[in-house]
Amino acid sequence: QLVLTQSPSASASLGASVKLTCTLSSGHSSYAIAWHQQQPEKGPRYLMKLNSDGSHIKGDGIPDRFSGSSSGAERYLTISSLQSEDEADYYCQTWGTGIHGIFGGGTKLTVL
Amino acid sequence: EVQLVESGGGLVQPGGSLRLSCAASGFTVSRNYMNWVRQAPGKGLEWVSIIYSGGSTYYADSVKGRFTISRDSSKNTLYLQMNSLRAEDTAMYYCARDPPGDGNGYFDYWGQGTLVTVSS
Repeated sequence: QLVLTQSPSASASLGASVKLTCTLSSGHSSYAIAWHQQQPEKGPRYLMKLNSDGSHIKGDGIPDRFSGSSSGAERYLTISSLQSEDEADYYCQTWGTGIHGIFGGGTKLTVL
Repeated sequence: EVQLVESGGGLVQPGGSLRLSCAASGFTVSRNYMNWVRQAPGKGLEWVSIIYSGGSTYYADSVKGRFTISRDSSKNTLYLQMNSLRAEDTAMYYCARDPPGDGNGYFDYWGQGTLVTVSS
């Protein structure tokens, strides 16, 4: 079964970097994912599609501070030079043949 | 510029019906895969339904047989007809676009959402 696992929460200081993790279920380590950001009281915003080889396609206007990387079944979102507006929920999402819209549980990022 | 604007949400009694709309601009709805995704209060994102560019439709098990996704090319608008509504359907409903091309699977643009509340 295709499942994505995310830590419920993360925190980092203003100006620092943070690395969020999304883990694909066993047998699905080759799958691509997408990262989405949801600021408080707003709709989600697409950040990037991240492939298993670490290559990624960013959304329009996404700053260079946001980057993605992959290792095995892990998919990472790194945010550098953290700003207050980065405080948000971050969701990973994947899909497969005949499988639509699988979301991780989300990670709530607090900027200290 | 791609924009998605949802409307049609509101308060409805259990067993009632509601039709959501998603007006698109900056691209052609019928040429893309289009989705509905919902988010219950304080919860995560849940995919609801998709319509392919070719017209095929698919649904989450939780809404199958009760919800119908459709589109109107002349209005460049996506719809979600929701029947036999239950309390557990209470959520913010978002429309979301797959990038151009078949089978991309992820969502590159989202609307701002419309709130559906099912309560007596």
